[in-house]
Amino acid sequence: AQSVSQHNHHVILSEAASLELGCNYSYGGTVNLFWYVQYPGQHLQLLLKYFSGDPLVKGIKGFEAEFIKSKFSFNLRKPSVQWSDTAEYFCAVNKGANNLFFGTGTRLTVIP
Amino acid sequence: SAVISQKPSRDICQRGTSLTIQCQVDSQVTMMFWYRQQPGQSLTLIATANQGSEATYESGFVIDKFPISRPNLTFSTLTVSNMSPEDSSIYLCSTDGGREIDEQFFGPGTRLTVL
Repeated sequence: AQSVSQHNHHVILSEAASLELGCNYSYGGTVNLFWYVQYPGQHLQLLLKYFSGDPLVKGIKGFEAEFIKSKFSFNLRKPSVQWSDTAEYFCAVNKGANNLFFGTGTRLTVIP
Repeated sequence: SAVISQKPSRDICQRGTSLTIQCQVDSQVTMMFWYRQQPGQSLTLIATANQGSEATYESGFVIDKFPISRPNLTFSTLTVSNMSPEDSSIYLCSTDGGREIDEQFFGPGTRLTVL
């Protein structure tokens, strides 16, 4: 079945540590890729997106993600996390329509 | 961007009853979407609602269980009918903001508990 997989359910890091959250998808063909973030008590909001071009995309708040087509992956990275990055992170995919297919999410807890 | 509000923010309902969730967007948008997030699971698209046409439902979701209205370009409702405890979820409304294949903007969600 086609799916979006996020391997880490809960990640705990100390401030200034580096972050990498995995995302793999199983859809073939052209896909559009997204990372959404949900801070405690807030709406889901877009962190970054990839449609085409440079496979390394930069988003808000110092986050970036790399699209590796051969690995069907779109991992999220940040070199140095802050306490304010504590949130739930969702990877999502669409295939040219507006239907978004989400991963199960990764909860990130950053310890001051 | 689009700002979305939902009502109610949460509710506790009895088995067999129905609940209508309202979604209001601060601008006119073509497409609106309804998602469900069951406990510990990812968001799942229920249906796409375009103004002036019937909603399009994803596999596993049917109109009798989740009737949707889209009376104008800023508003939509989702009804969860004949509820059972398995319907306990967060229901989210979203829109593409009127731009094709771009980010979606999400409402705050409605947390539904069915007893």
